[in-house]
Amino acid sequence: EIVMTQSPATLSVSPGERATLSCRASQSVSSNLAWYQQKPGQAPRLLIYGASTRATGIPARFSGSGSGTEFTLTISSLQSEDFAVYYCQQYNNWPRTFGGGTKVEIK
Amino acid sequence: QVQLQESGPGLVKPSGTLSLTCAVSGGSISSSNWWSWVRQPPGKGLEWIGEIYHSGSTNYNPSLKSRVTISVDKSKNQFSLKLSSVTAADTAVYYCARGGKTVTSFGAFDYWGQGTLVTVSS
Repeated sequence: EIVMTQSPATLSVSPGERATLSCRASQSVSSNLAWYQQKPGQAPRLLIYGASTRATGIPARFSGSGSGTEFTLTISSLQSEDFAVYYCQQYNNWPRTFGGGTKVEIK
Repeated sequence: QVQLQESGPGLVKPSGTLSLTCAVSGGSISSSNWWSWVRQPPGKGLEWIGEIYHSGSTNYNPSLKSRVTISVDKSKNQFSLKLSSVTAADTAVYYCARGGKTVTSFGAFDYWGQGTLVTVSS
């Protein structure tokens, strides 16, 4: 099983600032990596797939990069609605696995 | 717009079987997508349970494989999850989700149900 490790566990950011979230895979997942946003009481929402392609309707302030084992999700200028938990997920191998999440909170 | 809706009992007794159904609307379950179940224990992260294709082909998480069965009913445009021999550790919000259909999105979940909380307790 591929283990996905996200860091940091919590990120404190002021509105308007840039947020950088990291995700590391225990072995290469090529570019088969997705990012999700989850708010309390809601289902996860797909933000990024293929490591860097924004899903339909996702604002341009969200961007993804990386390949192999190291990935980054960047939110260029945090808006109030962006404070949430973010998960990465690999789909290169079975079982599909998720990282433990990064909580982005208001500083 | 594709919509997924989970349904099933919210309370299951220990050693019993958890049974959930995911109804798909706004799209066909016979499209070129895999259909998954994902769960989330209260306050914790996400765990993939398994997936099914409309042909009936399945893939399961090895950690749950001995207890899980996922099936599809094309006539009702829905798929189902059965998890046997449940314990309190199986208490979670259970989501159904659709995998993408392109070569770059095939395993990313682009549509999700709202989730349903299943509690295992006597």
